[in-house]
Amino acid sequence: NAGVMQNPRHLVRRRGQEARLRCSPMKGHSHVYWYRQLPEEGLKFMVYLQKENIIDESGMPKERFSAEFPKEGPSILRIQQVVRGDSAAYFCASSPSQGVWGNYGYTFGSGTRLTVV
Amino acid sequence: GQQLNQSPQSMFIQEGEDVSMNCTSSSIFNTWLWYKQDPGEGPVLLIALYKAGELTSNGRLTAQFGITRKDSFLNISASIPSDVGIYFCAGRGDKLIFGTGTRLQVFP
Repeated sequence: NAGVMQNPRHLVRRRGQEARLRCSPMKGHSHVYWYRQLPEEGLKFMVYLQKENIIDESGMPKERFSAEFPKEGPSILRIQQVVRGDSAAYFCASSPSQGVWGNYGYTFGSGTRLTVV
Repeated sequence: GQQLNQSPQSMFIQEGEDVSMNCTSSSIFNTWLWYKQDPGEGPVLLIALYKAGELTSNGRLTAQFGITRKDSFLNISASIPSDVGIYFCAGRGDKLIFGTGTRLQVFP
C-alpha cells in the first residue's frame, strides 16, 4: 500500500533548463496538491488538480510554471527556464476527495529537492 | 490572503520537558491539522481537529481547536530526542494553508 511517490528525490538543473517533477498519488486518491517549501520556511500552496482538471492554481507563478494530472500516469509539475530562486523542496500531496476526510488530512510525499546552479 | 502564525519560532528544551506551541489565524477554519516534518522528508500528520473546542490526544501529543476557530495549540508531554523536527499547523478550507512552523530541538 504505497504512499505518495515523488521522483526524483533530488534534481539539479542549470539556469535556463527545464525541470519536471513527478507525483503518483496514493491508490484511490483522485486529488493532487503541489506545495513549495523554500529553505527555513513553511509550505506554500501552488496548485490543486483532479484528473485532467486544474481546480485551483492561485499559488502558481504566472510564468514558467505549469502542472497537469493526466487521465493516466502521474501528476507533473513543470518549471521552464529555471532560475536560482526556483531552488526549493517541492511536495506533492493527495487526498481521496475534496469532501471526504475521515480522520486524516492530506498525505504528503517525501518531496523533490530542486537545486538550480 | 490567509495567514497562519505559529509561536514560538523555535524551541530548545531538555529531554523530559513538556512543550507547548500555538497557531493563530486571521481567518476561520473548519478543520485544523498538526504536522511534523523531519529533515529531508515530507510533513506527516499528527492530529486532526474537526470541531471548535475539540481536545484530541495522540499518545504524548494533545491538541485543541480554539472556540473562535482561529487558533489551536499543540502540547507534547515528556519530550524525547525523536521529537526533534519542525511542527506545522495547517488550516483546511478548500485547500490546506500551512503555518510558519515551530522548530523543536531536544537535548538529552
